[in-house]
Amino acid sequence: NAGVMQNPRHLVRRRGQEARLRCSPMKGHSHVYWYRQLPEEGLKFMVYLQKENIIDESGMPKERFSAEFPKEGPSILRIQQVVRGDSAAYFCASSPTGTGDYGYTFGSGTRLTVV
Amino acid sequence: SQKIEQNSEALNIQEGKTATLTCNYTNYSPAYLQWYRQDPGRGPVFLLLIRENEKEKRKERLKVTFDTTLKQSLFHITASQPADSATYLCAPAYSGAGSYQLTFGKGTKLSVIP
Repeated sequence: NAGVMQNPRHLVRRRGQEARLRCSPMKGHSHVYWYRQLPEEGLKFMVYLQKENIIDESGMPKERFSAEFPKEGPSILRIQQVVRGDSAAYFCASSPTGTGDYGYTFGSGTRLTVV
Repeated sequence: SQKIEQNSEALNIQEGKTATLTCNYTNYSPAYLQWYRQDPGRGPVFLLLIRENEKEKRKERLKVTFDTTLKQSLFHITASQPADSATYLCAPAYSGAGSYQLTFGKGTKLSVIP
């Protein structure tokens, strides 16, 4: 069981480009969550998805950010027209249920640097 | 607004001693609280979950307490080892609908000195 796989581990983008972050949940987990960690800040919830559905995107900026979890393939977090303030570590987590009372399995994250 | 405070950003402790980390929360009535460990450049790793009706939970050298009156959880590592050096995060949460949305503290960086 490979756990939660995120790629790429590091991503460098110029201002204005698009960033695509991928997350494959643990086998058997159909619930995926994205969190962002800014330097010296705690992890902040962004979005919760199930297969083909966005359940809660209340933590995600309204503009430039989108997420999907298609029937086949990994979950994708897309950031369009990146700005320097988007530089952060983005973590994906998965769980077997839609409640948090069993603990989450996190991936190793994607570190996005906008230059 | 909801607030989570973890004691001192950094905690240094001698090997073999017990490390005690504190998590205080305000404007919150969580149904349970999770603790994670995060190493540099890695994602958080789930350690323990304690529910509001549990006073204490243990797992090997780890012990967590949950005092809903004080709005505080304590995380203890007994017989600490250099390998325990990491940042420890607490995350209180509600139960039921919306419980997936964990709110994390900034963490306490623990250094165990040989």
